[in-house]
Amino acid sequence: LAKTTQPISMDSYEGQEVNITCSHNNIATNDYITWYQQFPSQGPRFIIQGYKTKVTNEVASLFIPADRKSSTLSLPRVSLSDTAVYYCLVGDYGGATNKLIFGTGTLLAVQP
Amino acid sequence: GAVVSQHPSRVICKSGTSVKIECRSLDFQATTMFWYRQFPKQSLMLMATSNEGSKATYEQGVEKDKFLINHASLTLSTLTVTSAHPEDSSFYICSASGRVSGANVLTFGAGSRLTVL
Repeated sequence: LAKTTQPISMDSYEGQEVNITCSHNNIATNDYITWYQQFPSQGPRFIIQGYKTKVTNEVASLFIPADRKSSTLSLPRVSLSDTAVYYCLVGDYGGATNKLIFGTGTLLAVQP
Repeated sequence: GAVVSQHPSRVICKSGTSVKIECRSLDFQATTMFWYRQFPKQSLMLMATSNEGSKATYEQGVEKDKFLINHASLTLSTLTVTSAHPEDSSFYICSASGRVSGANVLTFGAGSRLTVL
């Protein structure tokens, strides 16, 4: 299973765009990249998933370079409510071995 | 779609008792369910993987006789913490994997806070 490395924490201000990068040097061919958000005492919530290039949904964008050894979660115009821990996970999402191992995560603190 | 219900959300018990936590996929069939535990200010640690109708696969260092996992149906998995002790106090989270509208999804429950006195 591919190991992920993220910054432990990041600070931002309301209204700014936040980019969180995750390294996954030994990602496998069948692996997808998934980002989750977790608030204290809650289960992780799905944000976005991708395999290559760029994926965008209503809350975030995910940028994946051609070598897929890293990925960047982009949150546009963050608000105070975006303060949370963000996890990057890599795995064979829908395959027989689709367990996801959590790394340290990135604690994003958004200030007024 | 793809909702996972976890119950109870919070439980307090005395040392030596057993506690059961349920994880249900409400609107899809979960072929695989995963159980995690999380200590304060730490990441989620995978405890075990369970497939419907078969024995759970435990991660290294997790006692299978301590943490009993049953996955009797495609919508229900249970985690029983047997003879709980204060060091078992933690936040336990389940997740369920299945196909919804033709796509593979992995959805997490809200978590269960266990406090052992």
